[in-house]
Amino acid sequence: EAGVTQFPSHSVIEKGQTVTLRCDPISGHDNLYWYRRVMGKEIKFLLHFVKESKQDESGMPNNRFLAERTGGTYSTLKVQPAELEDSGVYFCASSQEGLPLLSGANVLTFGAGSRLTVL
Amino acid sequence: QQQVKQSPQSLIVQKGGISIINCAYENTAFDYFPWYQQFPGKGPALLIAIRPDVSEKKEGRFTISFNKSAKQFSLHIMDSQPGDSATYFCAARGGGNKLTFGTGTQLKVEL
Repeated sequence: EAGVTQFPSHSVIEKGQTVTLRCDPISGHDNLYWYRRVMGKEIKFLLHFVKESKQDESGMPNNRFLAERTGGTYSTLKVQPAELEDSGVYFCASSQEGLPLLSGANVLTFGAGSRLTVL
Repeated sequence: QQQVKQSPQSLIVQKGGISIINCAYENTAFDYFPWYQQFPGKGPALLIAIRPDVSEKKEGRFTISFNKSAKQFSLHIMDSQPGDSATYFCAARGGGNKLTFGTGTQLKVEL
């Protein structure tokens, strides 16, 4: 079974430019999450999709961030315009829910992350 | 406001020793406490997890100790090996399977 795939693995852009990160979740996982880790800090929740709908976007920092999940498959996270403080590693995770807690199947599986460096 | 506090930030342990990482939380609504292990260039991977109605869970060399009244939980790695060198994150689950993470502990196991 393929895992969660993210690309690019690393992106270096200038302040003010636009970047789009992509996440392909595990096939059949309706739930898709975006998280971000700024260097040395905790991994912070950004938002949660259930299929194509945004379930919770309480962690999105501001309106420069736009997440989409058209068709309920892959998701994109666009940052426009990028600022220096947006630098960090953006993780995508997916899960299959509706199953007993700790069954293993509803645990979040993370991708390797997309490292964003804004200069 | 950091809801899950993790310590230490880094840890060096000799091969065969015990590695201990501690976490504390504030929100009593958290209902699930996983630990994730992350190797360089990889994403965090679930290592072991516990429910708050259990005081201890052991899987191989990895044990979670959970103290509900103190709102603390810890990861113990027995007989630590160089292959255990990684970053460890504790987390706590709130509504919607949303995880709140600690800041991570970089563990290095030396020969």
